[in-house]
Order: sequence, then C-alpha cells, then structure tokens
Amino acid sequence: AQKVTQAQTEISVVEKEDVTLDCVYETRDTTYYLFWYKQPPSGELVFLIRRNSFDEQNEISGRYSWNFQKSTSSFNFTITASQVVDSAVYFCALIPSYTGGFKTIFGAGTRLFVKA
Amino acid sequence: GAGVSQSPSNKVTEKGKDVELRCDPISGHTALYWYRQSLGQGLEFLIYFQGNSAPDKSGLPSDRFSAERTGGSVSTLTIQRTQQEDSAVYLCASSFIGGADGYTFGSGTRLTVV
Repeated sequence: AQKVTQAQTEISVVEKEDVTLDCVYETRDTTYYLFWYKQPPSGELVFLIRRNSFDEQNEISGRYSWNFQKSTSSFNFTITASQVVDSAVYFCALIPSYTGGFKTIFGAGTRLFVKA
Repeated sequence: GAGVSQSPSNKVTEKGKDVELRCDPISGHTALYWYRQSLGQGLEFLIYFQGNSAPDKSGLPSDRFSAERTGGSVSTLTIQRTQQEDSAVYLCASSFIGGADGYTFGSGTRLTVV
C-alpha cells in the first residue's frame, strides 16, 4: 500500500518553542519522493521541500529542518524558534515513482497553532 | 502565467445543477492535477493529466465528475447534478513531468452546494 500518516492532527505551541511534525510513509517502491507542503490560513498550498529516496541527508533551511530516515520510513519536519507566521496546516506527501502513477499521495495534515 | 489560476474562487450552486471549474496551469508544465479538500480534511486525488497521455481518472468519486484538458493547457472539471456532499475546495496543481520537483497549486475553488 502507498500511504502517508501524520498522526498529529493539531499541535499548539507558544512562539519561540521548537516543534516537530511527524510523518511516516509506506511504499513498496524503492524509488520515491517525499515532500512537505504548507497551507497557511489564506488557503494556497506552498511547496517547501522534496527529498528523493536515495538521499538521506538531513536538510536545514533557516529555521526549518527535515530528518529523513529510511530505516523507520519517517520524514519529520522541525521548526526551530517557531513564529506566529508558521501557523498553518502542514502536509507530508509521497510520490511512489512506479506504482503510484506519478500522483502525489498526501497525508491528512497537521494543523500547527503558534501563539504569541 | 506566473502561477496556477483557478476560477471561480467561490461558487454557490443549487443541488442538482451542473458546475464547471476552470484551471489555467503554469506555462510549460506538462502535468495537471485536480484534488478535493473537504473542510478540515486532507487532499483527495481526483484526476491527473500528463501531456497527451490518457488521464488517470482513478480518483473521480462518481460518474457525475469529469474533466478535460484542452490543448495541453487549460483544464475544466465538471460536476453534474451536484450533491451537498460535493461541497469542498477543489484544488488544481501543475508540475513538470512526474511531479518530482513539487506541485504548484492554485488558490482553489470553494464550491458550496445548497
């Protein structure tokens, strides 16, 4: 089965706290792509990052970092020193290269509230 | 255009009426996708177009739903005989082939069936 699980439905933090959004995926493909998208209150989904299955290097972009671990089929997203503008719904997603027909499978999303 | 454009942004329709939702993808993107997002829910795949290939319609929930893509560019999603459960935000996205570089989404069409 091809599936993305985001077990955290909602997370609420106070500004400047660090927060980690969990993502676990399932695929039988050996080549696949993982993504994170952000959907702010305005509604438009924005692409944040892509990792391919051959590259397990973690990535940092400013206050954002991503931890990809094939051994646990996880692709977690950490926001350091969160800000109110980080409040949004975050979606983890998967493209299984061969069996998925090149369409993206999205998780249910995690709604993050950052309070001032 | 610079981004993915969807119209209308909001549509209220009476149950039983047909509606058409339009998507204008980014120029040069060969792939186009329709997703549906119900209130507070995740994204449900509907249909995927890639170039001149036959579309992947595996996500269309019923035969009341159809979509076409003319000239490899603009796409129209049609819902016939709308039902209240069709109320949702319909999102269109486009990408280069395969989508591995990520999708660019439009702002969506919020459909309300009354």
